[in-house]
Amino acid sequence: RKEVEQDPGPFNVPEGATVAFNCTYSNSASQSFFWYRQDCRKEPKLLMSVYSSGNEDGRFTAQLNRASQYISLLIRDSKLSDSATYLCVAPQGGNKLVFGAGTILRVKS
Amino acid sequence: NAGVTQTPKFQVLKTGQSMTLQCAQDMNHEYMSWYRQDPGMGLRLIHYSVGAGITDQGEVPNGYNVSRSTTEDFPLRLLSAAPSQTSVYFCASSYSYRGYEQYFGPGTRLTVT
Repeated sequence: RKEVEQDPGPFNVPEGATVAFNCTYSNSASQSFFWYRQDCRKEPKLLMSVYSSGNEDGRFTAQLNRASQYISLLIRDSKLSDSATYLCVAPQGGNKLVFGAGTILRVKS
Repeated sequence: NAGVTQTPKFQVLKTGQSMTLQCAQDMNHEYMSWYRQDPGMGLRLIHYSVGAGITDQGEVPNGYNVSRSTTEDFPLRLLSAAPSQTSVYFCASSYSYRGYEQYFGPGTRLTVT
């Protein structure tokens, strides 16, 4: 099993739709998680952190489910500009941060 | 602040050549890392460093060397380039690996022929 796994998609959704991605992680001791956004041929940039109590930032909500070892990202009222690859990140053994392979989102008009 | 800078932006090598990818940050971050990104594989950790003089291997270290003589710089050396090392390479830094945002450089697109 990979340390961090994501559904690669692509998720093709119309503007205004709600879409959710999950990311599973293998290290039950992991404490801090993140979602990054990566536009085509650009570097990843932090979208939001994932806290135990959940985290909401405008149309974006991130949640952590420790029992099932996954984090989720919910995007409400999707915009064309949300089209990107979304990467989840979890710390693994030692000092390593491991990225998932990414989920592709395409929002269409 | 320039953030994280990487040079070169593009590079073409012949099989067997060696080269160094440069990475520098001006945020006084302790944690720095190198990733490669291939289609469908996501970002894979090559090497990382938790401070000057300390480096460790990531998921795919073979064929690469690193050193961290200063807090600011973290060069990645390809010892003998192979076509399998054709990829996009990203350098990143953060205050710590735990709970802090990683800042990425713009990437180096490397082709090995």
